[in-house]
Amino acid sequence: AQSVTQPDIHITVSEGASLELRCNYSYGATPYLFWYVQSPGQGLQLLLKYFSGDTLVQGIKGFEAEFKRSQSSFNLRKPSVHWSDAAEYFCAVGAGALIFGKGTTLSVSS
Amino acid sequence: DGGITQSPKYLFRKEGQNVTLSCEQNLNHDAMYWYRQDPGQGLRLIYYSQIVNDFQKGDIAEGYSVSREKKESFPLTVTSAQKNPTAFYLCASALGPPDTQYFGPGTRLTVL
Repeated sequence: AQSVTQPDIHITVSEGASLELRCNYSYGATPYLFWYVQSPGQGLQLLLKYFSGDTLVQGIKGFEAEFKRSQSSFNLRKPSVHWSDAAEYFCAVGAGALIFGKGTTLSVSS
Repeated sequence: DGGITQSPKYLFRKEGQNVTLSCEQNLNHDAMYWYRQDPGQGLRLIYYSQIVNDFQKGDIAEGYSVSREKKESFPLTVTSAQKNPTAFYLCASALGPPDTQYFGPGTRLTVL
């Protein structure tokens, strides 16, 4: 079955600390992978995507993600978190209709 | 400005009523999607359309209907057959698979 797992429901990080959000997927074909961010009551904004090529992809707002085929993972990272990064983050996989994980809520403490 | 618009932002429905959520895009995208979001559940696909006058059911299509008469528009009707319609509904569009999907701001539907 095709699925996306985000193991962490809620993460709290101190401002200025590094961040890693985990994403594991199960997908039968070539995975097209995405990370989106959502502020409360808003739509989703694309942070970055992986289709092919370099397995380390750079996105907006200083985020990056690494595709590891052997581990079926696509973890999101940021070296230094800002208070404005507090939001809900979704990992998704698919070519066309997307399969989403259940999301990870990020809180940033001062 | 190019983008995706959804209206209304908030919608209240009495039990037994049908309601229609609007989704319009001016990005010249062929593909359009409807997702439902519930707290802690991520997004689940309701319907999608890859071309005008054609659409496919997603994972949770029961109690919903759509039409795609124009490239720019993909309205979603929540029928009285949908037993638990209170949720946040998100529309998205893309040039076509597997291209990036861009999302609208969402409509929050509440059943009174």
